[in-house]
Amino acid sequence: QSALTQPRSVSGSPGQSVTISCTGTSGDVGGYNSVSWYQQYPGKVPQLMIYDVTKRPSGVPDRFSGSNSGNTASLTISGLQAEDEADYYCCSYAGSGYVFGTGTKVIVL
Amino acid sequence: QVQLVQSGAEVKKPGASVKVSCKASGYTFTSYYIHWVRQAPGQGLEWMGIINPSGGGTDYAQKFQGRVTMTRDTSTSTFYMELSTLTSEDTAVYYCARRERFDYWGQGTLVTVSS
Repeated sequence: QSALTQPRSVSGSPGQSVTISCTGTSGDVGGYNSVSWYQQYPGKVPQLMIYDVTKRPSGVPDRFSGSNSGNTASLTISGLQAEDEADYYCCSYAGSGYVFGTGTKVIVL
Repeated sequence: QVQLVQSGAEVKKPGASVKVSCKASGYTFTSYYIHWVRQAPGQGLEWMGIINPSGGGTDYAQKFQGRVTMTRDTSTSTFYMELSTLTSEDTAVYYCARRERFDYWGQGTLVTVSS
């Protein structure tokens, strides 16, 4: 399984919205409603932000939302805040296992 | 509260094996699968495999087939991941994570492979 493709970085000013894409194939992202997103600060443990494409665990701000279209899933952060500066990874079920994305650094300008 | 507590850091020589543990608490042990994920220094997350706590069935990423073994001990609510024939490229932080959605993670175990 090849890693899902994410942009290396995205940036935005506080209050703006940013969207991170996660592109796979019909064998993973496009074939299952099982995409999740994780936030990771440097040296810290990843934290679940979105699961099953659009669902948000309790405690995750509603500024974070997920969607998908065909073989591409997306994470949108609305009303960007300084604390959102971190690495973000997508992950998809792929039939015979799971595959993570390459990771995206969100930069708050 | 749900906790996954992993064993401490390890230093291994090339060719050796390492066994990392992940002790679960705060939920019914047999209810949720456990994944193992690793992260090399400065790199992204890499899925290694998954284990069913009920029957012990496993599914490994093709990259690690033949080199990884995932087991569990229901008497102590502990999961294990053993990786053999280590090389420097196996230097990474190894995580256990719960459920298909990876909702809870262990604190990570640094495995350093160096001669």
